Amino acid sequence: DGGITQSPKYLFRKEGQNVTLSCEQNLNHDAMYWYRQDPGQGLRLIYYSQIVNDFQKGDIAEGYSVSREKKESFPLTVTSAQKNPTAFYLCASSFLGTRQFFGPGTRLTVL
Amino acid sequence: KNEVEQSPQNLTAQEGEFITINCSYSVGISALHWLQQHPGGGIVSLFMLSSGKKKHGRLIATINIQEKHSSLHITASHPRDSAVYICAVSMEYGNKLVFGAGTILRVKS
Repeated sequence: DGGITQSPKYLFRKEGQNVTLSCEQNLNHDAMYWYRQDPGQGLRLIYYSQIVNDFQKGDIAEGYSVSREKKESFPLTVTSAQKNPTAFYLCASSFLGTRQFFGPGTRLTVL
Repeated sequence: KNEVEQSPQNLTAQEGEFITINCSYSVGISALHWLQQHPGGGIVSLFMLSSGKKKHGRLIATINIQEKHSSLHITASHPRDSAVYICAVSMEYGNKLVFGAGTILRVKS
């Protein structure tokens, strides 16, 4: 059953904590992306990776970190440096230059 | 000014009506995408197009490259079409997507 999965679906974080959001795909896609969605705004790109062991900052990378050690996995860490982390986070993957497939999302809330 | 603008922001229709959502962009693109986001949050890619027109079931997407404009049409709308419809463009250089803010569609029975 091919697809892209994210976990957890809901995540609560205390201020000052780092948390890691998981994203896994079994579509053999080369590229993976992390987006943030806030109410009333379009999705914004946090980080993307076009190949294993390489990734680039998107438009709002400050306070986030990623790794791409395996083709199928692209975890996102929300660090304590991210001042306003409460948001809906979406992961996507694609072959280069083709449509992106999105995961179900993780809703992060800072308590 | 945002690089991708959608209109309307909100749209309420009666079941069976013909619906049009518009998207204008101001940058050079290699492709335009229409996405659908249901209340649970998951996003589905509906269309990716770089010219002309595409049709899938009751959905039709058109693009006019010269005018930098695209439309998404829904024929014979149904309450299950209620969702947020998002326009996004693939930038001409690179692999990044730039997103519009979305159109919230509600179809009443």
